[in-house]
Amino acid sequence: DIVMTQTPLSSPVTLGQPASISCRSSQSLVHSDGNTYLSWLQQRPGQPPRLLIYKISNRFSGVPDRFSGSGAGTDFTLKISRVEAEDVGVYYCMQTTQFPQYTFGQGTKLEIK
Amino acid sequence: EVQLVQSGAEVKKPGESLKISCKGSGYSFTSYWIAWVRQMPGKGLEWMGIIYPGDSDARYSPSFQGQVTISADKSTSTAYLQWSSLKASDTAMYYCARRGYYDSGGYVIDYWGQGTPVTVSS
Repeated sequence: DIVMTQTPLSSPVTLGQPASISCRSSQSLVHSDGNTYLSWLQQRPGQPPRLLIYKISNRFSGVPDRFSGSGAGTDFTLKISRVEAEDVGVYYCMQTTQFPQYTFGQGTKLEIK
Repeated sequence: EVQLVQSGAEVKKPGESLKISCKGSGYSFTSYWIAWVRQMPGKGLEWMGIIYPGDSDARYSPSFQGQVTISADKSTSTAYLQWSSLKASDTAMYYCARRGYYDSGGYVIDYWGQGTPVTVSS
């Protein structure tokens, strides 16, 4: 299975300031079709996960443009340009390249300082 | 609107059996894979397996193979996750989620159910 490793595991951020989360995969996420299937999920306290970003940098429907994704191969980043109170929660990267064994990162807890 | 609605909370004893459900609506249920994900208390997300309701082709994570059974009923647009003999370590929140397809993004786990909490305790 592909192992996904996130850093940091916890990120205290000041409201209005940027935040960044990294995700590294144990092997390349480039699919045989040439695409890279790396997603980012947000899980607010007491809520189910919600898709934010897919295929590295595509924002899902309804996701604010302060969220952006980047990266290639095995190294990926989620950035929040200006953190708002509603962004508190845990963020997961997820690979959907190796079907059917999809895998998640351990999660990064975003909290307000 | 795509919706996945899961069955309610369960409290069971070790050794009992259980079947929880996930009903899809707002899309063609038989055309999209449905996955199950475990989240133990205070922990992260774990991929359990996935099923294609169109032909009930089910695939399991090695960690969950033989521990659970994933099934689907096309006639009711419902996917299921079941245990034959629960353990205390099965206590967790269980989510179903859809594997969608986008021309711009390929296959994506896009919509999630609200979760079913399962507590196993003597």
